[in-house]
Amino acid sequence: IAGITQAPTSQILAAGRRMTLRCTQDMRHNAMYWYRQDLGLGLRLIHYSNTAGTTGKGEVPDGYSVSRANTDDFPLTLASAVPSQTSVYFCASKGQGDTGELFFGEGSRLTVL
Amino acid sequence: GQNIDQPTEMTATEGAIVQINCTYQTSGFNGLFWYQQHAGEAPTFLSYNVLDGLEEKGRFSSFLSRSKGYSYLLLKELQMKDSASYLCAAEDSNYQLIWGAGTKLIIKP
Repeated sequence: IAGITQAPTSQILAAGRRMTLRCTQDMRHNAMYWYRQDLGLGLRLIHYSNTAGTTGKGEVPDGYSVSRANTDDFPLTLASAVPSQTSVYFCASKGQGDTGELFFGEGSRLTVL
Repeated sequence: GQNIDQPTEMTATEGAIVQINCTYQTSGFNGLFWYQQHAGEAPTFLSYNVLDGLEEKGRFSSFLSRSKGYSYLLLKELQMKDSASYLCAAEDSNYQLIWGAGTKLIIKP
């Protein structure tokens, strides 16, 4: 693994089902984020984690939960999916250089029917 | 409230220069990011401005005016591969990013 990996790449899900999007990074970054991206809207922060063992709510946390058991993994769970959660989900980690730039995974396209 | 404004779409010609503007209103301000996102791909980092002025990086330059809440991304010698969305993001006083909706840049031959 080089960088940040998300799985699955794409998923179609029935409403009411539980779904976990996986995110793993090998850069030893402390801060990690989950965003959703919808057409015509900017990236919206769902949840974040500044370091292993801690998490926080972003702009649109309802219906989502996260955990951060270790530095590398930051899964996002939809407990009971609804059609409004149809979106592209990006996981990101924050570099520790001067810019603090974000490194993004390739995205998970989720469709809830 | 916090807000980022940038044009929805712009069109330019291969070989030309284009400037993508971004205005922001945030609770405190630490810096301004620009990211490039090709269709169906993840955003990738282009630039970060903290101080007023122009930062040049190859064909791409980014400008910031903190007093005006304004930034622009300047792309020179446009190539077809520059066709992408360009995302502006302001970092507030809590180091959280506020994202614009992105500017889709279409390059024509």
